[in-house]
Amino acid sequence: KAGVTQTPRYLIKTRGQQVTLSCSPISGHRSVSWYQQTPGQGLQFLFEYFSETQRNKGNFPGRFSGRQFSNSRSEMNVSTLELGDSALYLCASSLGAQGYTFGSGTRLTVV
Amino acid sequence: AQTVTQSQPEMSVQEAETVTLSCTYDTSENNYYLFWYKQPPSRQMILVIRQEAYKQQNATENRFSVNFQKAAKSFSLKISDSQLGDTAMYFCAFMIKEYGNKLVFGAGTILRVKS
Repeated sequence: KAGVTQTPRYLIKTRGQQVTLSCSPISGHRSVSWYQQTPGQGLQFLFEYFSETQRNKGNFPGRFSGRQFSNSRSEMNVSTLELGDSALYLCASSLGAQGYTFGSGTRLTVV
Repeated sequence: AQTVTQSQPEMSVQEAETVTLSCTYDTSENNYYLFWYKQPPSRQMILVIRQEAYKQQNATENRFSVNFQKAAKSFSLKISDSQLGDTAMYFCAFMIKEYGNKLVFGAGTILRVKS
């Protein structure tokens, strides 16, 4: 059974640009969540999508947005990138409260 | 506020020995789930063990077991017969059932297993 696939694995962007990260969940999983991991702030919840609807949102500015498609694949977009957006972005999928299965993440570096 | 505290930033243990990682959490909710995740250098988060708050029996997964003390809001992880492959960052997390699938993580404990 394929795991959670995140693309790309690494990304370098310039301040002010925008970026789109992709996540393909485990087949059959309808819940997809995104987390930001930084050395200073640790792991922080960005948002959760379930059946194409945002069900939950963390405390991030509006520059961070996401969406989910009918096949449960999800994308996350960050506009007007700032240096502080440099982080590991983790996507996770779930069938419910059984626990999340995480992808390997996308390492975003903003220069 | 929902918070998770892992008071040990780093720990080390000899191969084959037992180590316990501490975790306390704070919530006023009654219906929640607790998790331990492992993040090796490959950076993929791996679910180690899961506990439902309404279950009094402590969860066990092979060499991994928890000591869940609901009244004290404590959820420690015991790793028996430590192996070199257990070297990783360990995160304690919880999820409140009514709030959807949102995990609140602790800051993590780096565990180094020495040969």
